[in-house]
Amino acid sequence: AQSVAQPEDQVNVAEGNPLTVKCTYSVSGNPYLFWYVQYPNRGLQFLLKYITGDNLVKGSYGFEAEFNKSQTSFHLKKPSALVSDSALYFCAVRDPYLYTGGFKTIFGAGTRLFVKA
Amino acid sequence: GAGVSQSPSNKVTEKGKDVELRCDPISGHTALYWYRQRLGQGLEFLIYFQGNSAPDKSGLPSDRFSAERTGESVSTLTIQRTQQEDSAVYLCASSFGTSGGAPQETQYFGPGTRLLVL
Repeated sequence: AQSVAQPEDQVNVAEGNPLTVKCTYSVSGNPYLFWYVQYPNRGLQFLLKYITGDNLVKGSYGFEAEFNKSQTSFHLKKPSALVSDSALYFCAVRDPYLYTGGFKTIFGAGTRLFVKA
Repeated sequence: GAGVSQSPSNKVTEKGKDVELRCDPISGHTALYWYRQRLGQGLEFLIYFQGNSAPDKSGLPSDRFSAERTGESVSTLTIQRTQQEDSAVYLCASSFGTSGGAPQETQYFGPGTRLLVL
């Protein structure tokens, strides 16, 4: 069965510094990987996804993520953090094979990002 | 354009009562998901609908939970004999889904229904 881990409950970074939010996964075959963000008092929003192709995926708001198959990771990155990036970030994985993974998307527990001015 | 809508936005109920939560997906989206998010925790998959296929109910935590969907439109999540541990935000999401292949599309989430069981 597929699973996803976000090892950090919270990440603190100063505005202007690069940020990384970590995600590792476990799934049979090649995974579909997603990052979503939840801003305070707002719903979940899609940031980016990896399905196939280039390992470096670019998404909304200047975020990017790198798929690393050997390390089974999909870390979220941004070169220069903004205070407005402060939010709860969720990594998610879907097994693309219907007969092993069904239709489920499994979400990580979330990582809260604090960006200080 | 219209996004995913959910109602009610907040629901307070007494332990033992039944509640019904509603989700209106984005028009044209064939796939619909329900998730539960307990306070301070991640999303917990509950159930998935894709077109006319049998739903994936593997995430429903007990037989007190059930969900229905009318065609490719509205879905209702019903919790019978609510318990205090059912208190959470219930999120609905929809996506285009696929036919014949694995779904890979981005999910669009509604604002959620905040359920409090006293």
